[in-house]
Amino acid sequence: QLILTQSPSASASLGASVKLTCTLDSGHSIYAIAWHQQQAERGPRYLMKLNSDGSHTKGDGIPDRFSGSSSGAARHLNISSLQSEDEADYYCQTWDTEIVVFGGGTKLTVL
Amino acid sequence: EVQLVESGGGLVKPGGSLRLSCEASGFTFSNAWLNWVRRAPGKGLEWVGRIKSKTDGGTTDSAAPVKGRFSVSRDDSKKTLYLQMNSLKAEDTAVYYCTTSTFGGYYFDYWGQGTLVTVSS
Repeated sequence: QLILTQSPSASASLGASVKLTCTLDSGHSIYAIAWHQQQAERGPRYLMKLNSDGSHTKGDGIPDRFSGSSSGAARHLNISSLQSEDEADYYCQTWDTEIVVFGGGTKLTVL
Repeated sequence: EVQLVESGGGLVKPGGSLRLSCEASGFTFSNAWLNWVRRAPGKGLEWVGRIKSKTDGGTTDSAAPVKGRFSVSRDDSKKTLYLQMNSLKAEDTAVYYCTTSTFGGYYFDYWGQGTLVTVSS
């Protein structure tokens, strides 16, 4: 079964860096994922597709402060120079031929 | 600029039906794979269903909780995606988002703003 696991919450200070993690189940550890951001009361926004080798393809207008990296079954979203507008829910997404799966989401608080 | 605009949400009684629409612009609609994703109150994102482009077969897939009750369709001439929802349950209450893979693939590169569906007596 295709499963993505995310920590429910994270926090970091304004101007600092944060790493959010999404972990694939062991049977699907080489799968690519996509990261999406959802700010309060808004539709989600595509951030990037992240492959198992760490290479990533970002969406239109996504700042350089956002990057991705991979380690084994873990897929990381790295955000540097945190800004207040980065406070949001972050979801990872993966897929198989007939289904799409989301992680439970991480609520990022910028202190 | 890519735009996805959902409509058709509202209040419906349990057991009722509703059809959502999503009007698209700013990309080659006929090449895109199109999906519906929902977010229930206090919950995370949940994939609902997908329709592939006609050149990729035009086939549909849907999530287990809605299989047999919801169906996804598209009208390429109108650049519009639909979600027909039948036998609605209270647990279908959510904001429903239209999302697309403009390149014809499995992950989503653009999202709409959503339309709220409330199932309640």
